[in-house]
Amino acid sequence: EDKVVQSPLSLVVHEGDTVTLNCSYEVTNFRSLLWYKQEKKAPTFLFMLTSSGIEKKSGRLSSILDKKELFSILNITATQTGDSAIYLCAVEEFDTDKLIFGTGTRLQVFP
Amino acid sequence: GAGVSQSPSNKVTEKGKDVELRCDPISGHTALYWYRQSLGQGLEFLIYFQGNSAPDKSGLPSDRFSAERTGGSVSTLTIQRTQQEDSAVYLCASSLWRGGGETQYFGPGTRLLVL
Repeated sequence: EDKVVQSPLSLVVHEGDTVTLNCSYEVTNFRSLLWYKQEKKAPTFLFMLTSSGIEKKSGRLSSILDKKELFSILNITATQTGDSAIYLCAVEEFDTDKLIFGTGTRLQVFP
Repeated sequence: GAGVSQSPSNKVTEKGKDVELRCDPISGHTALYWYRQSLGQGLEFLIYFQGNSAPDKSGLPSDRFSAERTGGSVSTLTIQRTQQEDSAVYLCASSLWRGGGETQYFGPGTRLLVL
């Protein structure tokens, strides 16, 4: 059965810390891996990764994919309280375009 | 509106009742997706529409769940004879065309509570 597993489930840090969120997957027809930030109900798109080893970067956030080892990481440097959210990883299937989500990592950043 | 809208934002119902959840996608978006997020769980795919047709209904958890889309726009997700395990946030997303997860724009969701 296809699955996406995220770790840790929960993370509590202080402002200024750097965090690394992990996502591993077992999906037969992999097309891409996506990261979303969910603060209230609607997830907002962060990154889409399709190729191994190419880092995507947006401000303090960056992400990279390893298609050989079947995982991705999301890094956040110099965290701020506004980074507090659930970070969701999803894998898009090639033939169905279906997104298979992990359970998310809840990040709490305290001042 | 500029984004995907859903209604109601919250719904409390009694076990056994039917509920209808509505999704208004971004104008011009041909693909529409329904997801469910139960407490402590990840987002679970339910169904997607390309235009008015639903080529993939594999995610619907039971025959109590159905969805339709009319005019290539508004979609309704209907849950018949609701059960407590149906309590979740139901999220709708739309994209300009099928494919490319980055182009899925999510609505604010409907929080359903079945008592």
